[in-house]
Amino acid sequence: GQNIDQPTEMTATEGAIVQINCTYQTSGFNGLFWYQQHAGEAPTFLSYNVLDGLEEKGRFSSFLSRSKGYSYLLLKELQMKDSASYLCALRASEAAGNKLTFGGGTRVLVKP
Amino acid sequence: DSGVTQTPKHLITATGQRVTLRCSPRSGDLSVYWYQQSLDQGLQFLIQYYNGEERAKGNILERFSAQQFPDLHSELNLSSLELGDSALYFCASSVVPPGELFFGEGSRLTVL
Repeated sequence: GQNIDQPTEMTATEGAIVQINCTYQTSGFNGLFWYQQHAGEAPTFLSYNVLDGLEEKGRFSSFLSRSKGYSYLLLKELQMKDSASYLCALRASEAAGNKLTFGGGTRVLVKP
Repeated sequence: DSGVTQTPKHLITATGQRVTLRCSPRSGDLSVYWYQQSLDQGLQFLIQYYNGEERAKGNILERFSAQQFPDLHSELNLSSLELGDSALYFCASSVVPPGELFFGEGSRLTVL
C-alpha cells in the first residue's frame, strides 16, 4: 500500500519562498509527482521525480530522497496566483496499473 | 486545455437516481483514470482502464461501475445515489508508459 503525508495549510507572503514537504511510505516506488490545483479546477502537472535530487523548472523546484521517503516542492518568488492546493502523488508499479495515489494536498495562501 | 473532455460539467439529481459521466481521453492515450474529489478532500482513485481492460481498482463503491469502449472513451456509472456522492469526478488520461496524468475539467455532481 501507499501512505502520503503533507501539511494541510501554509501561508506565505508575495515574493517569498515556500517549501511544501511530502513524506511517504510505499511498497513499490515508481515515481513522485507534484500537481497544482486551484479551487474547483482540474489538477495540473508541475513536476516529476524518479531519481534522487533536485529538479528545477522556473520558479518551481522539486526534490526527492527515496531512502528517506521524502520530497519537497519549492516555490520561489511567490505570486498571488500561486494560491492553490499542491498535491503530492506517488505512482504505483506497472503491475498495479501505474495509478497515481494523491496525498490530501497542501493549501497555500499567498498574502500581499 | 489538457485535451481530456468530460461531460456533463454540472449535474444535479436526486437521491436514488442513476447518472452516467463521460470522458474522452487525449488523442493517443490508452489509459483512463477516474478520481473522486469531495468538498475540501483529496483526490480518491476509483478505477483505471487501459485499452478497454480494467487495470486497477481503488475504493470504488459497488454502486459505481465504469467501462472503456473500443474508441477509448470511458463512462462512469453511479447508481442509487446518496447525498455523500456529491463531489467532483475527474477523468485523467496518460500515454503508455505513463508520464504525468492529464486531467479533464471534471464533472460536478450534486445529489439533493
